[in-house]
Amino acid sequence: AQSVTQPDIHITVSEGASLELRCNYSYGATPYLFWYVQSPGQGLQLLLKYFSGDTLVQGIKGFEAEFKRSQSSFNLRKPSVHWSDAAEYFCAVAPVGPYDMRFGAGTRLTVKP
Amino acid sequence: DTGVSQDPRHKITKRGQNVTFRCDPISEHNRLYWYRQTLGQGPEFLTYFQNEAQLEKSRLLSDRFSAERPKGSFSTLEIQRTEQGDSAMYLCASSLEEGQGGHEQYFGPGTRLTVT
Repeated sequence: AQSVTQPDIHITVSEGASLELRCNYSYGATPYLFWYVQSPGQGLQLLLKYFSGDTLVQGIKGFEAEFKRSQSSFNLRKPSVHWSDAAEYFCAVAPVGPYDMRFGAGTRLTVKP
Repeated sequence: DTGVSQDPRHKITKRGQNVTFRCDPISEHNRLYWYRQTLGQGPEFLTYFQNEAQLEKSRLLSDRFSAERPKGSFSTLEIQRTEQGDSAMYLCASSLEEGQGGHEQYFGPGTRLTVT
């Protein structure tokens, strides 16, 4: 079945440590790929997106993500996490076009002081 | 650009009542989307509009749900005869078309519905 998988439900990292959030998808062709962040009581904010071209994409707030076609993955990274990064992170995939977006279940990030 | 707004932010209703939510998209965006998000899950697509035309509906959108965008601007989502299983966050998003550079959706803060 076609799906978006975020294997980690909850991750805890110390402030200043590096972060990697995993996302795998199972769609035939390379879809549009997105990472969104959701803080409590807030809507979703787009961190970055990939459509084509350079497989390493830079986003806002110091985040980056790498598309790996062979692994059907689009993992999110940040070299040094800040306390304000604590939130829920969603990977989203649009197999057909940007209007056809499917979300993973999310990864909740906790940042320890 | 004031972003996507949704009203109300919170709604508590009794089972069997009807509720209506409103979404005001970013003004120049001709696409508008509705999603439902339950606790611990990502948003699930419900429906989307291009201008006033409703182009796609999810199977999640039972016959108790109806959405409109009569003038291609704001949209309403109505749930009739609410059930406890309808309790969720209802998110609205908007975008341009792909041909206009619309590769991303901008989300509103959501309406949290609690059915008692």
